[in-house]
Amino acid sequence: KAGVTQTPRYLIKTRGQQVTLSCSPISGHRSVSWYQQTPGQGLQFLFEYFSETQRNKGNFPGRFSGRQFSNSRSEMNVSTLELGDSALYLCASSLRVNTEAFFGQGTRLTVV
Amino acid sequence: QKEVEQNSGPLSVPEGAIASLNCTYSDRGSQSFFWYRQYSGKSPELIMFIYSNGDKEDGRFTAQLNKASQYVSLLIRDSQPSDSATYLCAVTGARYSGGGADGLTFGKGTHLIIQP
Repeated sequence: KAGVTQTPRYLIKTRGQQVTLSCSPISGHRSVSWYQQTPGQGLQFLFEYFSETQRNKGNFPGRFSGRQFSNSRSEMNVSTLELGDSALYLCASSLRVNTEAFFGQGTRLTVV
Repeated sequence: QKEVEQNSGPLSVPEGAIASLNCTYSDRGSQSFFWYRQYSGKSPELIMFIYSNGDKEDGRFTAQLNKASQYVSLLIRDSQPSDSATYLCAVTGARYSGGGADGLTFGKGTHLIIQP
């Protein structure tokens, strides 16, 4: 059974640009959540989608947004990038909201 | 503000011994508890989850939950050098003070070193 797939694995962007990250969940999983991991703040919850609806949202500015498609694949968008957005962005999938979550390999975003 | 607290370590344990990792959480409404292992440069890997008070065993791993004390722990028996990693405690089902449900809240992790 294929795991969670995130693309791209690495990104370098310039301050002010926007970026879109993609996540394909484990087959049959309908919940996708996104996390930001930095050395200082650790893993922080961004948002969670289930059946194309945002069910949970963390304390991040509106520049961070996401969506989920009918096939459960999800995208995350960050607009007007700031240097502080440099982080590992992790996607996790689960059968339902707030159940066991399995992570993808992550996208390493560097903002210069 | 909901918090999950872990001792950052490093926690050094001899090979073959029992490693004990601890986690406390602030919100009594928390319902589900998870332990993840993360190797340097890799993504977190789910190793245990527990929903009810008591112990849950899976191979060399035992998760323990005490909701009254708001405490969850992970025991690793017969520790191996390959167990050396950062262990993350995660909690969900609680609510932010600002309202609304939320996803997993992670502790900062405990760095475990198994000494051969």
